[in-house]
Amino acid sequence: GAVVSQHPSWVICKSGTSVKIECRSLDFQATTMFWYRQFPKQSLMLMATSNEGSKATYEQGVEKDKFLINHASLTLSTLTVTSAHPEDSSFYICSARDPGGSSGANVLTFGAGSRLTVL
Amino acid sequence: QKEVEQDPGPLSVPEGAIVSLNCTYSNSAFQYFMWYRQYSRKGPELLMYTYSSGNKEDGRFTAQVDKSSKYISLFIRDSQPSDSATYLCAMSIYGQNFVFGPGTRLSVLP
Repeated sequence: GAVVSQHPSWVICKSGTSVKIECRSLDFQATTMFWYRQFPKQSLMLMATSNEGSKATYEQGVEKDKFLINHASLTLSTLTVTSAHPEDSSFYICSARDPGGSSGANVLTFGAGSRLTVL
Repeated sequence: QKEVEQDPGPLSVPEGAIVSLNCTYSNSAFQYFMWYRQYSRKGPELLMYTYSSGNKEDGRFTAQVDKSSKYISLFIRDSQPSDSATYLCAMSIYGQNFVFGPGTRLSVLP
């Protein structure tokens, strides 16, 4: 089945620094990837849709300059949290659809998530 | 009215019990229905998906969709402590506009 790899799984950084999170589709090509944010005991909140070769589409209320998304290839999307602050501490999860899978592109496969702690 | 509603729990059951998890939704355009399991500090894992109405069984898990009632269910038979997790329902319109429920926290007690 489709596999989405996310790295790093856990990162701690100082306030004011930038952190990059990578999301890779390992056995399929993903023209679209999705980035979610999740606070403890809460559901997934869609942050943005990452499109290969074009600009990401951000959800209302998500700061584009704070959360930079680059979908450089058909298997890699990155999320960079710029000038991170403690309130950016959260669990970030990427996902993608596998058009060639048994379900077509109609379900999402998630990465393992990245826990960001900003001191 | 929220697009997808799901009882957040927590739901505690003894080992071996049958668990019933449910979601209701408001948009009749949804065609694909998914159930994800999420362990603490992990990404959601796809358990089952169903297209349109009907039942689907996979081992101890059964997914049901009733589009006329806009109601979906996940049944877990012979529940195990390892089933303790948060279960998220999700739905999409042909791979677009994915919507997730808030998740139900399940604890299966040994």
